[in-house]
Amino acid sequence: EVQLVESGGGLVQPGGSLRLSCAASGFIFSSYNMNWVRQAPGKGLEWVSYISSSSNSIYYADSVKGRFTISRDNAKNSLFLQMNSLRAEDTAVYYCASSFSEWVEGAYSTSPTSFDPWGQGTLVTVSS
Amino acid sequence: QSALTQPASVSGSPGQSITISCTGTSSDVGGFNYVSWYQQHPGKAPKLMIYDVSNRPSGVSNRFSGSKSGNTASLTISGLQAEDEADYYCSSYTSSSTRVFGGGTKLTVL
Repeated sequence: EVQLVESGGGLVQPGGSLRLSCAASGFIFSSYNMNWVRQAPGKGLEWVSYISSSSNSIYYADSVKGRFTISRDNAKNSLFLQMNSLRAEDTAVYYCASSFSEWVEGAYSTSPTSFDPWGQGTLVTVSS
Repeated sequence: QSALTQPASVSGSPGQSITISCTGTSSDVGGFNYVSWYQQHPGKAPKLMIYDVSNRPSGVSNRFSGSKSGNTASLTISGLQAEDEADYYCSSYTSSSTRVFGGGTKLTVL
């Protein structure tokens, strides 16, 4: 079964740091591009960051550029998000999500720009 | 990186069809065939419903369909069912190689 499990969330003071992890299983993690997406309480989805399968390409939303760093360890099937200089507006559930692909009746479909599957999310609260 | 524009809410009766729009610019929705749609029930992770404008992942009902014209993409749900009541989000690839979501649309099945 394909599974993504986030961890590392919690309560942190403004200006503090936190490192999120996402453990992948059930698929060849090293072949997939990965993303972090967040959702503030009661708000919509916001894309945060992208990393290619080999870590050659990395992109960030303007709202986190210079403060957050995405990385991955393909040997350990893990994705990370290092979050520094945290602000109240970073409070959100953080999801990791893979790029989409599937085999159906011998046909392979993929969409590097779509997100599937998703983890269950980890809550980050930035407050004093 | 402005969010894509979606209506805040739409509603329909069981059996009816509804359409949710998603408007961007030529730098995102209009520039690429990389629009995807997600369904999110309360307290749950989003689920991919449509990818690359009009493709359905296996297991997604054929009542869900996607299209695009110019800078506006659309998600149509036909034969509305009670379980379709959820929040729906569009997403697009952008010319900066980033991704952007819409603000989300709450679908109410009357």
